[in-house]
Amino acid sequence: AQKITQTQPGMFVQEKEAVTLDCTYDTSDPSYGLFWYKQPSSGEMIFLIYQGSYDQQNATEGRYSLNFQKARKSANLVISASQLGDSAMYFCAMRSYNFGNEKLTFGTGTRLTIIP
Amino acid sequence: DAMVIQNPRYQVTQFGKPVTLSCSQTLNHNVMYWYQQKSSQAPKLLFHYYDKDFNNEADTPDNFQSRRPNTSFCFLDIRSPGLGDAAMYLCATSRGTGTGLETQYFGPGTRLLVL
Repeated sequence: AQKITQTQPGMFVQEKEAVTLDCTYDTSDPSYGLFWYKQPSSGEMIFLIYQGSYDQQNATEGRYSLNFQKARKSANLVISASQLGDSAMYFCAMRSYNFGNEKLTFGTGTRLTIIP
Repeated sequence: DAMVIQNPRYQVTQFGKPVTLSCSQTLNHNVMYWYQQKSSQAPKLLFHYYDKDFNNEADTPDNFQSRRPNTSFCFLDIRSPGLGDAAMYLCATSRGTGTGLETQYFGPGTRLLVL
């Protein structure tokens, strides 16, 4: 069974500061993918960044980077130079390399609020 | 260039009155998913279609059904909505190349209110 843990239910960060959202995972599968999604108050789940378990380098997408520490089973999202528009719910999720197992396992999310 | 479209964005129905939610996609993806997300919770997968093959999650109530008449469209039918079915319903798609690691792309969701 897979499990995602996000221990920060809410965070408040000053605008323009960097922020790290924590995510730890548990799986017995050797090959898996880790995803971060942003969900604004409008409800849409917006894909931010992906990290494969065999990727040697940490993924980056613009202001988003994923701090992947495989031995610790952590996949923290780092947002550099936060903006007011970053205020949203953030979900960490994972899937395994297993044809037919299409299920994304989500964490409980972190509500990020950016303060002007 | 909308990719996953859900209609309507807001749906109000009465207790016990059947309701259908719609999802369409322009990505030509093989896999389509329906998630239920209740307030302050993570999305919960109800079922998914891999092409025409329907895959139901074990804990999805029988009250929820789905249809996929073609690649582009997928419907969620709630046969007799109860108050506990009020939620955001999210449709998602992925390419379905068999690696199991593809990104899922979500639509804007439909908020269902049951009176």
